[in-house]
Amino acid sequence: TQLLEQSPQFLSIQEGENLTVYCNSSSVFSSLQWYRQEPGEGPVLLVTVVTGGEVKKLKRLTFQFGDARKDSSLHITAAQPGDTGLYLCAGVEDSNYQLIWGAGTKLIIKP
Amino acid sequence: EAGVAQSPRYKIIEKRQSVAFWCNPISGHATLYWYQQILGQGPKLLIQFQNNGVVDDSQLPKDRFSAERLKGVDSTLKIQPAKLEDSAVYLCASSLGQGHYEQYFGPGTRLTVT
Repeated sequence: TQLLEQSPQFLSIQEGENLTVYCNSSSVFSSLQWYRQEPGEGPVLLVTVVTGGEVKKLKRLTFQFGDARKDSSLHITAAQPGDTGLYLCAGVEDSNYQLIWGAGTKLIIKP
Repeated sequence: EAGVAQSPRYKIIEKRQSVAFWCNPISGHATLYWYQQILGQGPKLLIQFQNNGVVDDSQLPKDRFSAERLKGVDSTLKIQPAKLEDSAVYLCASSLGQGHYEQYFGPGTRLTVT
């Protein structure tokens, strides 16, 4: 079974700081999605990356897909309390198109 | 466009009782998923439907869990009998269909088994 490892599991920082969270695997994905989940709600899709090396920006969030399509990162610039949530990555396996979920990074931004 | 609807939002039952959850996906979405999410963890796929057929139920504990999507639209997930370890949030999601992997989630049902 394919695994997607997310790191760190938990991150608590002050408002205004920058941060990066990671999503890693040993196998190749045809695409990878990032979701944010707030307490009491379902995950909300932020972005899908498809091409190796692709970079997508969503306001202060920058998403990158690794060249080999095995890993991805999410960088947040000048974090704000509204960025607080559980960040989940999910990859579509190249071999069988099954969607594999990471366990998530719980992010807390303190005012 | 209406999102994925789920009910109830919260449910508290005693162990060995039964419970059912309902999901109405986004109109036109052929694929429907049920996930179990333990607090602070990622979602675990229980069952995936393509229209009214089951695509993947490999992680569904079939001795106690069942799900149906008879008309290919809304779906129900049932647990009978419930165990303490079934306490979790049950998420329903939908996507357009084959080849479309971006999922849209409902708010979930928080189940507490006492």
